[in-house]
Amino acid sequence: DGGITQSPKYLFRKEGQNVTLSCEQNLNHDAMYWYRQDPGQGLRLIYYSQIVNDFQKGDIAEGYSVSREKKESFPLTVTSAQKNPTAFYLCASSIEGSWAKNIQYFGAGTRLSVL
Amino acid sequence: AQKITQTQPGMFVQEKEAVTLDCTYDTSDQSYGLFWYKQPSSGEMIFLIYQGSYDEQNATEGRYSLNFQKARKSANLVISASQLGDSAMYFCAMRVMNTGFQKLVFGTGTRLLVSP
Repeated sequence: DGGITQSPKYLFRKEGQNVTLSCEQNLNHDAMYWYRQDPGQGLRLIYYSQIVNDFQKGDIAEGYSVSREKKESFPLTVTSAQKNPTAFYLCASSIEGSWAKNIQYFGAGTRLSVL
Repeated sequence: AQKITQTQPGMFVQEKEAVTLDCTYDTSDQSYGLFWYKQPSSGEMIFLIYQGSYDEQNATEGRYSLNFQKARKSANLVISASQLGDSAMYFCAMRVMNTGFQKLVFGTGTRLLVSP
């Protein structure tokens, strides 16, 4: 079955540590996205990528980094510069980024907590 | 500013009844799209329904329909014949253009609880 796989489901970070969240899709989608969700809030865009080897900052990119070396994969690194990383992280993909009816499909998320 | 507002933090409905979840939006764009997503306790965001700004008819997908009132800038989600499995968070989102790339702006969500 096609879909988006995020791992791990739960992740703990020690102070000063970088951690990487995995996102893999087998939908053959060109565009991929990372969102952050805090309690009681909607989703906020961290980074997005329209094609391989290209990505752009979203609204809250500070303290995060990404790579897009393969079409299927879009890992997110939460760096030590992100001072408040505790949140729920969602990865999404869509056929491409500029089409009007750009339906984004989501993974099951990774919940990151700070030890 | 492009913004989505969901004013109902929580809604209660009895099984088999219909419920309306409110969503208002603010944009100066002529072309835009509106989406509704469901987020169960498992966390995954599930796409429900889409309405384009130029669509003349209200969108429907099974038990879901979107009451689109362009002049009022509202895009309310109507769920008919509620089921226990409809208990979840519901998010309204709007497509906005950002330097040639279309991104989604989300509201803060409405928690729906369906009781037997």
